[in-house]
Amino acid sequence: DAGVTQSPTHLIKTRGQHVTLRCSPISGHKSVSWYQQVLGQGPQFIFQYYEKEERGRGNFPDRFSARQFPNYSSELNVNALLLGDSALYLCASSLGTGLYSYEQYFGPGTRLTVT
Amino acid sequence: AQTVTQSQPEMSVQEAETVTLSCTYDTSENNYYLFWYKQPPSRQMILVIRQEAYKQQNATENRFSVNFQKAAKSFSLKISDSQLGDTAMYFCAFMKTLGSQGNLIFGKGTKLSVKP
Repeated sequence: DAGVTQSPTHLIKTRGQHVTLRCSPISGHKSVSWYQQVLGQGPQFIFQYYEKEERGRGNFPDRFSARQFPNYSSELNVNALLLGDSALYLCASSLGTGLYSYEQYFGPGTRLTVT
Repeated sequence: AQTVTQSQPEMSVQEAETVTLSCTYDTSENNYYLFWYKQPPSRQMILVIRQEAYKQQNATENRFSVNFQKAAKSFSLKISDSQLGDTAMYFCAFMKTLGSQGNLIFGKGTKLSVKP
């Protein structure tokens, strides 16, 4: 079975630009969460979506937004990029309901570099 | 707010030996989950083991086991018979039980090196 997939793998953007990151969850998983992992740190929670509705939001500015589509895939958008947005962006999916619904499985991440 | 602390930034162990990684957390919740995730140099985060706070029995997954001390808010990971493939960053994580809503709160990680 395919795991969580993310695209692109790497990208380089300039300050002030906009970026869209994409995530496809494990088949059958209805919840998607996004995390930002700065080098040398643990991941920090950005958003959670379940059944296309936002269920949680971390302490990130409004430049960060996300959405979930009917097929449960998700996009993370970041506007007006800053140098400090350079990080590994991780997507995680979970069942969202039922036994062990809380277990999150991560994708390989998108490495964003802002110059 | 919940916090997770991993006090060992780096550790090393000889192949085939046992190593214990420490984790403490702070919460006022009574029901929650705790996890250990492994992030090898290839970077994909892998779930190693989970523990439900309401269970007194410590979780075990093959060579991986935890020592969960709820009163002390401690959640250590023991790796037995260490293998070279265990070399990775290890993250301890906490999650409140909120049905379909839940986000992980991670520690800063422990870099484990297994030496031949």
